Amino acid sequence: DAKTTQPNSMESNEEEPVHLPCNHSTISGTDYIHWYRQLPSQGPEYVIHGLTSNVNNRMASLAIAEDRKSSTLILHRATLRDAAVYYCIGGVDSNYQLIWGAGTKLIIKP
Amino acid sequence: DSGVTQTPKHLITATGQRVTLRCSPRSGDLSVYWYQQSLDQGLQFLIQYYNGEERAKGNILERFSAQQFPDLHSELNLSSLELGDSALYFCASSPPGGPNQPQHFGDGTRLSIL
Repeated sequence: DAKTTQPNSMESNEEEPVHLPCNHSTISGTDYIHWYRQLPSQGPEYVIHGLTSNVNNRMASLAIAEDRKSSTLILHRATLRDAAVYYCIGGVDSNYQLIWGAGTKLIIKP
Repeated sequence: DSGVTQTPKHLITATGQRVTLRCSPRSGDLSVYWYQQSLDQGLQFLIQYYNGEERAKGNILERFSAQQFPDLHSELNLSSLELGDSALYFCASSPPGGPNQPQHFGDGTRLSIL
């Protein structure tokens, strides 16, 4: 069965970088890796996605391993507003639906 | 603001009842997805529509059904409601281009069954 795995939770200090890992060992060669985050009492919000190369946008950076079996979402300077559940998506299933990880709850300490 | 509108925001009803949740996708998006999120759980994919046609089904109960109308808005119908159906229901939309297009989510409908 295709699977995306993430740690349940992580803690970080405010204004420090955060590296959120994700394993997607069954991802196919043409499937993108996506990251979403869900702030309390809100719907999930798109963060970033990429295929092979590392990607940067105003919210975060995405580092993709050369074999594409894992990736890391990087928040360069975490703020209290970044406290959320971060979901990694590592490919699609036989139904062409995204394979969501269970999410990592990111706790930011002031 | 994601551009996806869900109504109502909150719904309280009793077991055995039927409710309809509504979703208006972002302008230009043809796909609509429905997800269920129970308390402190991850997202469970229910069903996807693309331009009015059902595209994929996930773990959707037979008591639940959905449709997408010609104006592309979608409705999720939940019937014979049980206590376990209490959850957040999210709608998302995405543009044409397949599953690798980012999905944009609404703020959800919180359904409480008493």
